[in-house]
Amino acid sequence: DGGITQSPKYLFRKEGQNVTLSCEQNLNHDAMYWYRQDPGQGLRLIYYSQIVNDFQKGDIAEGYSVSREKKESFPLTVTSAQKNPTAFYLCASRDPGAPNEKLFFGSGTQLSVL
Amino acid sequence: GEDVEQSLFLSVREGDSSVINCTYTDSSSTYLYWYKQEPGAGLQLLTYIFSNMDMKQDQRLTVLLNKKDKHLSLRIADTQTGDSAIYFCAESMRNSSASKIIFGSGTRLSIRP
Repeated sequence: DGGITQSPKYLFRKEGQNVTLSCEQNLNHDAMYWYRQDPGQGLRLIYYSQIVNDFQKGDIAEGYSVSREKKESFPLTVTSAQKNPTAFYLCASRDPGAPNEKLFFGSGTQLSVL
Repeated sequence: GEDVEQSLFLSVREGDSSVINCTYTDSSSTYLYWYKQEPGAGLQLLTYIFSNMDMKQDQRLTVLLNKKDKHLSLRIADTQTGDSAIYFCAESMRNSSASKIIFGSGTRLSIRP
């Protein structure tokens, strides 16, 4: 079955530590996105990538980094510079050429600080 | 500016209709979407409407779009307990370099027996 896989489901970060969230898709989509979700708030865009080896900052990129070395993979690193990392992180992808441009989402990673 | 607004909570009685409202600010939106999120899960697309349409119906779901007022609504007929979730309104916008999807804060729908 085609889809987006995020791992791990739950992740804990110690102070000063960098952690990496995995996102893999087998939908052959060019575009991939990382969103952050806080309780009672909408999804805020962290980074997005329209094509392999290219990515752009979203609205809240500070303290995060990404890479896009393969079409299928778009890992997100939460660095120690991100002072409030506790949130639910959602990865998404889409086919920019599809008529309705809809996003397909992974099941999310809950990141908490120890 | 880019902004999508929706109320945070809605409570309805089982079997009644639910109407979730959303307003957006960018008149250049191409598509508008409704996504559903169940606890601890990702978002799943419920339905969408192209910006040149006024209404779209899909089984129990009806989407109404008023472009003049930049108002989008989702009506769920015969609301069931399985409809309990957070519902996100979103708009797709294009600029010169890329397209973005902007989400509202989500409306938490709860069902009363």
